[in-house]
Amino acid sequence: GQNIDQPTEMTATEGAIVQINCTYQTSGFNGLFWYQQHAGEAPTFLSYNVLDGLEEKGRFSSFLSRSKGYSYLLLKELQMKDSASYLCAVRGLTGGGNKLTFGTGTQLKVEL
Amino acid sequence: ETGVTQTPRHLVMGMTNKKSLKCEQHLGHNAMYWYKQSAKKPLELMFVYSLEERVENNSVPSRFSPECPNSSHLFLHLHTLQPEDSALYLCASSQDPTSGGANEQFFGPGTRLTVL
Repeated sequence: GQNIDQPTEMTATEGAIVQINCTYQTSGFNGLFWYQQHAGEAPTFLSYNVLDGLEEKGRFSSFLSRSKGYSYLLLKELQMKDSASYLCAVRGLTGGGNKLTFGTGTQLKVEL
Repeated sequence: ETGVTQTPRHLVMGMTNKKSLKCEQHLGHNAMYWYKQSAKKPLELMFVYSLEERVENNSVPSRFSPECPNSSHLFLHLHTLQPEDSALYLCASSQDPTSGGANEQFFGPGTRLTVL
């Protein structure tokens, strides 16, 4: 099975940088995903890591260390619209279907 | 219509009612998923269909019955639900198999279900 941990809440200031951590224990690993979910809306895909290292996509970057079972999502130049829940999810190795196990999500609040 | 759509967006039902949730994807994907999202809990995967065949049933009670008539449509039939089944039910789709690449899941807006 999979076990995924991430902080419940974080607060940061507009224009700043924030790092949201995710740790996982897994019986099989085939990629880690970050999703953003605004209140009352569908989760939307942010990033994907399957090899160790940093993936950068505009203001958002995601890092993975498979040996440590650790990932983080880095948000730069924070904007008020970045206030949302950030979900870490791990894909297993089981065949048939693209199955994800999600963490509880980190509620990020961006303040002035 | 684009992306993943779900109807209805809100549903209130009694414990003895029968209702169905509908999901449709316009992305040409071949895998579809049902998730349950409750407050303070992780997204819970309920069912997975790949190439119209059910490949996952995550110990979901039989009062939830999925149906996938084709690769674009997914239903969740509900009967004799309990108040603890009140939650946001999300549908998603993706490409499968995942041989290389993210093949990320695209989510619909969800159905907010309240069981009285």
